[in-house]
Amino acid sequence: AQKITQTQPGMFVQEKEAVTLDCTYDTSDQSYGLFWYKQPSSGEMIFLIYQGSYDEQNATEGRYSLNFQKARKSANLVISASQLGDSAMYFCAMREAFYTGANSKLTFGKGITLSVRP
Amino acid sequence: NAGVTQTPKFQVLKTGQSMTLQCAQDMNHNSMYWYRQDPGMGLRLIYYSASEGTTDKGEVPNGYNVSRLNKREFSLRLESAAPSQTSVYFCASRRPGGQETQYFGPGTRLLVL
Repeated sequence: AQKITQTQPGMFVQEKEAVTLDCTYDTSDQSYGLFWYKQPSSGEMIFLIYQGSYDEQNATEGRYSLNFQKARKSANLVISASQLGDSAMYFCAMREAFYTGANSKLTFGKGITLSVRP
Repeated sequence: NAGVTQTPKFQVLKTGQSMTLQCAQDMNHNSMYWYRQDPGMGLRLIYYSASEGTTDKGEVPNGYNVSRLNKREFSLRLESAAPSQTSVYFCASRRPGGQETQYFGPGTRLLVL
């Protein structure tokens, strides 16, 4: 079974509108971390936001927020007031409890392409 | 502060040739990683190094070797390149403690003919 599932086809959003990118995950751990990365057309991987499984509040970083629904095992990225520069591929990733500390590793989803229309 | 740097940016190899991808970080991180990215596959871990002097296999290690030269540098070697190794290769280093966020280099595009 996939650990991280990102199944949306290419997403489109109008500039200045909000958009939600879906991510569901599969783990039996109680302690884990969830990450979102952005990959623009230039190719680099840019860290956006982190949510810990024990965090009581949804994470926010500027225009990015994470809609964390633990019972549903979903960690959706919400981008508010979309900008043309938000056009990119977005990856969700998870770090499970066993893979922390010296053994820290991430499992990535396959990504979602977002296009922002002017 | 350059973060994570990778060389080269692009490389074309013929089947059977060897090459080494270089990675360096100046953030004093202990852990470093090599990933490959293929269309529709996300990022898959090839090898990682939890600290200087240690390396471990990831999800797709076959056909690759690594060397953790010192705390800053972590290289990936293809001994006999195959077309299946055509990919984009990313190096990352991990900030210790807390979120344990990984920070990525700009990537190396490799084409094996």
